[in-house]
Amino acid sequence: GAGVSQSPSNKVTEKGKDVELRCDPISGHTALYWYRQSLGQGLEFLIYFQGNSAPDKSGLPSDRFSAERTGGSVSTLTIQRTQQEDSAVYLCASSLISGNYGYTFGSGTRLTVV
Amino acid sequence: QQQVKQSPQSLIVQKGGISIINCAYENTAFDYFPWYQQFPGKGPALLIAIRPDVSEKKEGRFTISFNKSAKQFSLHIMDSQPGDSATYFCAASMIPGNQFYFGTGTSLTVIP
Repeated sequence: GAGVSQSPSNKVTEKGKDVELRCDPISGHTALYWYRQSLGQGLEFLIYFQGNSAPDKSGLPSDRFSAERTGGSVSTLTIQRTQQEDSAVYLCASSLISGNYGYTFGSGTRLTVV
Repeated sequence: QQQVKQSPQSLIVQKGGISIINCAYENTAFDYFPWYQQFPGKGPALLIAIRPDVSEKKEGRFTISFNKSAKQFSLHIMDSQPGDSATYFCAASMIPGNQFYFGTGTSLTVIP
């Protein structure tokens, strides 16, 4: 596609429920990243994929968070047993190659846990 | 611990004025310093970036000044326009590396 697509754009969920956030990267981009943006905070790194493997999961805040990527393309970030502190905008980015050159970000999924 | 510190948190500038946003870092292993611009409801977009082998980079009205010895870098927006009103994030990373370390953002408002 022309850009990084994320869905849903907004998600309201009840505390304790599981949620899945989806990211469709730019076609051909091998590297994919998830970040979290909380109100008044910068972007917080969550996880990095190179192809289907995740060599760096160091930013996942707890074992309630997991992510996978299939076919070297679509990625899903899953949050189990959501808590109010999980409320944030979850951003996905992709890049043609790994190594921290300029990414293209999606518009994000705004998650609200009530 | 915040790896990149950004100031000010918010900035109001008159149209035609100069907007200046500052960032500081501690990790001397960082060697790539981008600035991102974010409009409401959108993801951040790469605006301009610099490597530490140069002290300044200019692209149109946007200039990055880089001071390696002070471990500081700044974004200057010349002739600021209302369309520049957005949130600006500085970031730092290692090349190669797996993640960017972002500042906390500066909300810029340019008054007509």
